[in-house]
Amino acid sequence: GAVVSQHPSWVICKSGTSVKIECRSLDFQATTMFWYRQFPKQSLMLMATSNEGSKATYEQGVEKDKFLINHASLTLSTLTVTSAHPEDSSFYICSAGPRNTQYFGPGTRLTVL
Amino acid sequence: AQSVTQPDIHITVSEGASLELRCNYSYGATPYLFWYVQSPGQGLQLLLKYFSGDTLVQGIKGFEAEFKRSQSSFNLRKPSVHWSDAAEYFCAVGLGSNFGNEKLTFGTGTRLTIIP
Repeated sequence: GAVVSQHPSWVICKSGTSVKIECRSLDFQATTMFWYRQFPKQSLMLMATSNEGSKATYEQGVEKDKFLINHASLTLSTLTVTSAHPEDSSFYICSAGPRNTQYFGPGTRLTVL
Repeated sequence: AQSVTQPDIHITVSEGASLELRCNYSYGATPYLFWYVQSPGQGLQLLLKYFSGDTLVQGIKGFEAEFKRSQSSFNLRKPSVHWSDAAEYFCAVGLGSNFGNEKLTFGTGTRLTIIP
């Protein structure tokens, strides 16, 4: 299957700072990537669809100014959590994939102090 | 809009016993169907998928799933579970597209516990 990586795997930051999470497709090109958020013992919540060369599409209720998405190349999408607060602490996962199959990154654990 | 239901929040199975995890979907046509597994603190790993053709699909780690159109179901099975199968299992549906990159709708997940 296709391989998707994420970096960093975990990050701790102070309240009010910004954090950038990278999602890369390692062995295929991805015009579209997806960003999810997962709370403990819950399912994945789709946050946004990242589109290469154009604006991301955000799901209802997701603050686009809080969660900035950039998809500047066919193998890289970034999610920036701006002015992070403790309630932004969560597990963030990205996915991408060819031929109608999504492969997931290993996730990034964000803790905001 | 499509939806996915996993009726069982938590299932406990003895090691070596058989397993069936239930998944029902709601959609007007046949969607693309997936099962993923997630270990604690990890991303999701694709177990298997169904797009069309043979309704019984084989996946990795000895898992299989059967698509039943009449029941709108895509249940996951394994004849003999191993302690390493303890994890969270998610069923997902996608619409599929010519672009090959439609988003997925996930069920709420089933947590599998294995007892000796």
